[in-house]
Amino acid sequence: QQQVKQSPQSLIVQKGGISIINCAYENTAFDYFPWYQQFPGKGPALLIAIRPDVSEKKEGRFTISFNKSAKQFSLHIMDSQPGDSATYFCAASTLLQGGNQFYFGTGTSLTVIP
Amino acid sequence: DAGVTQSPTHLIKTRGQQVTLRCSPKSGHDTVSWYQQALGQGPQFIFQYYEEEERQRGNFPDRFSGHQFPNYSSELNVNALLLGDSALYLCASSLRGGSFREQFFGPGTRLTVL
Repeated sequence: QQQVKQSPQSLIVQKGGISIINCAYENTAFDYFPWYQQFPGKGPALLIAIRPDVSEKKEGRFTISFNKSAKQFSLHIMDSQPGDSATYFCAASTLLQGGNQFYFGTGTSLTVIP
Repeated sequence: DAGVTQSPTHLIKTRGQQVTLRCSPKSGHDTVSWYQQALGQGPQFIFQYYEEEERQRGNFPDRFSGHQFPNYSSELNVNALLLGDSALYLCASSLRGGSFREQFFGPGTRLTVL
């Protein structure tokens, strides 16, 4: 059972455009929602994260929008650049029994065309 | 400041063999988590170590075991390797205090089982 569902699987955007990736979750105990960027042959790198007490967080060209009632959150990449071409993963976690387990989406392959 | 390091980078084993992967956390971090990432998939949580004890475990068989040392470094051991164990194995470190949730990933170890 996929705890975090991510869409689309792949995305092609023109340079300067807006890239939007969506995720949905079911477990209301999740209280931390990060996004990771992964380049081929590399480990995922933390991009931006949000907690459910805010509806939006912006860092540079990257924005997370969070809808607690719908149990959905999304990543918006403004002014997309060819260097943004990578695979993006959403994730969710909650503290349980002194530990912290992360659940990842299946990933979105983003291609930004010059 | 060194980030998360993993060794070896690549590894080729045959079915039935045993393998040990190693991870050194980011400086100042005390918690290590291990993930399995199959090709084209998101990372799947294996387990998390803190204070030399396994604190959380994902849905992986007992063939997967780990250890954390007093210097916070960690090992992942996989016994009786199966073809399906071929994947990128990622180590992530975090700090239990403070935000705790920010996980920083290493570059991974690519395991191929023949």
